[in-house]
Amino acid sequence: GAVVSQHPSWVICKSGTSVKIECRSLDFQATTMFWYRQFPKQSLMLMATSNEGSKATYEQGVEKDKFLINHASLTLSTLTVTSAHPEDSSFYICSARVGGVGTDTQYFGPGTRLTVL
Amino acid sequence: EDQVTQSPEALRLQEGESSSLNCSYTVSGLRGLFWYRQDPGKGPEFLFTLYSAGEEKEKERLKATLTKKESFLHITAPKPEDSATYLCAVRGTDSWGKLQFGAGTQVVVTP
Repeated sequence: GAVVSQHPSWVICKSGTSVKIECRSLDFQATTMFWYRQFPKQSLMLMATSNEGSKATYEQGVEKDKFLINHASLTLSTLTVTSAHPEDSSFYICSARVGGVGTDTQYFGPGTRLTVL
Repeated sequence: EDQVTQSPEALRLQEGESSSLNCSYTVSGLRGLFWYRQDPGKGPEFLFTLYSAGEEKEKERLKATLTKKESFLHITAPKPEDSATYLCAVRGTDSWGKLQFGAGTQVVVTP
């Protein structure tokens, strides 16, 4: 149980284009999902918290107009990187929250490698 | 502000050579300390959650313990397949469910 998938697993795009990454909870419903990015040999940096049916909450320093997050259903959250530039190249990972308040655990997807040329 | 410090940064072990990883933390009201394993190019894999000092959890060759200031991940008689980066994270009372991650310990187990 508690399987999270991401699509695509990797993507290469040209500078200026937009890229959408999907995060799905396969065997459970997730009211809250999180989006992280990770640079080589560094730890995970939380970008935003995605709540089903409401606007995402972004961490300080993360541009909400550049990283659009939509959590349209209890099993799907999407991250769209708009007008991508080479500095947006990174490993993007989502997680889904499972369990009750105070005892919940985050389960992570396999990640999406974005390369912007 | 919640803070997590992991040590050492890297650890090289011979197969069968047991060792421990350290996770020191400061948090406003601990609501969970989490251990994850991450392989290169993949998302973190959940290992354990600890909630209170004195708690211990085990899974195969791994054992996690918790005190009021730190957690240890003990690896007993490791095998090459235990090679990975081990991440520690905490959730505090005021975190709204968010996790604060440490930088991780990269473990390499050689045959």
